[in-house]
Amino acid sequence: DAGVIQSPRHEVTEMGQEVTLRCKPISGHDYLFWYRQTMMRGLELLIYFNNNVPIDDSGMPEDRFSAKMPNASFSTLKIQPSEPRDSAVYFCASSPSVGGVREKLFFGSGTQLSVL
Amino acid sequence: DQQVKQNSPSLSVQEGRISILNCDYTNSMFDYFLWYKKYPAEGPTFLISISSIKDKNEDGRFTVFLNKSAKHLSLHIVPSQPGDSAVYFCAASRYSSASKIIFGSGTRLSIRP
Repeated sequence: DAGVIQSPRHEVTEMGQEVTLRCKPISGHDYLFWYRQTMMRGLELLIYFNNNVPIDDSGMPEDRFSAKMPNASFSTLKIQPSEPRDSAVYFCASSPSVGGVREKLFFGSGTQLSVL
Repeated sequence: DQQVKQNSPSLSVQEGRISILNCDYTNSMFDYFLWYKKYPAEGPTFLISISSIKDKNEDGRFTVFLNKSAKHLSLHIVPSQPGDSAVYFCAASRYSSASKIIFGSGTRLSIRP
């Protein structure tokens, strides 16, 4: 299994531009999470999905952020318009659930976003 | 409001000695705790976990201790090796399928020769 795949690995954009981050979870995993890592706040949970349905998006910073999961093998995190304070590493993670209990998270390698 | 706190941003330990990383949590509803390890330019990887029905869990050189009354957990690495140099994240959750996993801010561990 290739693990959780994120693209792009690096994204440099100018303030005001739209940014789309992509994630392919591990096949068979029914949970998908988006996290953001910053020096000040560590790993912040932005949103998570169960069976493609958003369960909790309370961590999404503001309306400029949106996430979708159109099917079990793909999710996107979009920032429109982007701002310099959005610069961070964005991680996608997936996990299976067994017998109704969620197992541990498997993370992708992250997308390093720089907004100039 | 940080529900999971790692108050030491960094720690330096001599190779062969014990490394102790600490974590505090505020939400008494948490009953499942995890430690993740992260190398530069990689995603975090799972290291060890513990549920609240236990106070200790051991896996090779890694042991996690849980003190529920103090809302405190610690990760012990014995003996410390150069490959243990990484950022360690503590995380907490409820042991149910519908709950979120909250991470701390991380502790950078450096193992010196």
